[in-house]
Amino acid sequence: NAGVMQNPRHLVRRRGQEARLRCSPMKGHSHVYWYRQLPEEGLKFMVYLQKENIIDESGMPKERFSAEFPKEGPSILRIQQVVRGDSAAYFCASSTTPSGGILEQFFGPGTRLTVL
Amino acid sequence: KQEVTQIPAALSVPEGENLVLNCSFTDSAIYNLQWFRQDPGKGLTSLLLIQSSQREQTSGRLNASLDKSSGRSTLYIAASQPGDSATYLCAVLMYSGGGADGLTFGKGTHLIIQP
Repeated sequence: NAGVMQNPRHLVRRRGQEARLRCSPMKGHSHVYWYRQLPEEGLKFMVYLQKENIIDESGMPKERFSAEFPKEGPSILRIQQVVRGDSAAYFCASSTTPSGGILEQFFGPGTRLTVL
Repeated sequence: KQEVTQIPAALSVPEGENLVLNCSFTDSAIYNLQWFRQDPGKGLTSLLLIQSSQREQTSGRLNASLDKSSGRSTLYIAASQPGDSATYLCAVLMYSGGGADGLTFGKGTHLIIQP
């Protein structure tokens, strides 16, 4: 059973370009979470999605950032018109629907975005 | 708003020592607490998950305890080895019934085990 997969693992963009980060959850998982780890800072929650629905986007910047989790295919985190401050590691996690009081998130290897 | 604090921020000890990492959180109404390990430039490896109804979990040389009422958790590492060198992250999950919230992470304890 493959774990959470993210691609690309490393992404370099110039200021003003768009960045698209992909996340394929573990098999059987229908919940996806995105987190950002800025240099010298802790991991911060960005958005929580289920298939075709955004459940909680309270951690997403108001502008330039969007996320989707379509019925088919991976979840996408999209950053438009990137700026140097967007340089960070972006992690995706997935989980099943809570059952029997169990809810564990499994993390992918991350995408390291560098904005030149 | 939930806040998670980890103490110490960094720790360097000789190989073989037993050590304790501390985590505290401000809102005790958590669903669960997870300890992770992160190696430089790598992703997160889940070490232990403690449900809110549990008081501790053990895996090999690792033992994590949870005192929900006081908002504290500890990660105990026995007989430390150089391979344990990494950043250890504590994270708590709130659950609002309408769906899980995202994990709230501490900033981590950077651990170095000297050979």
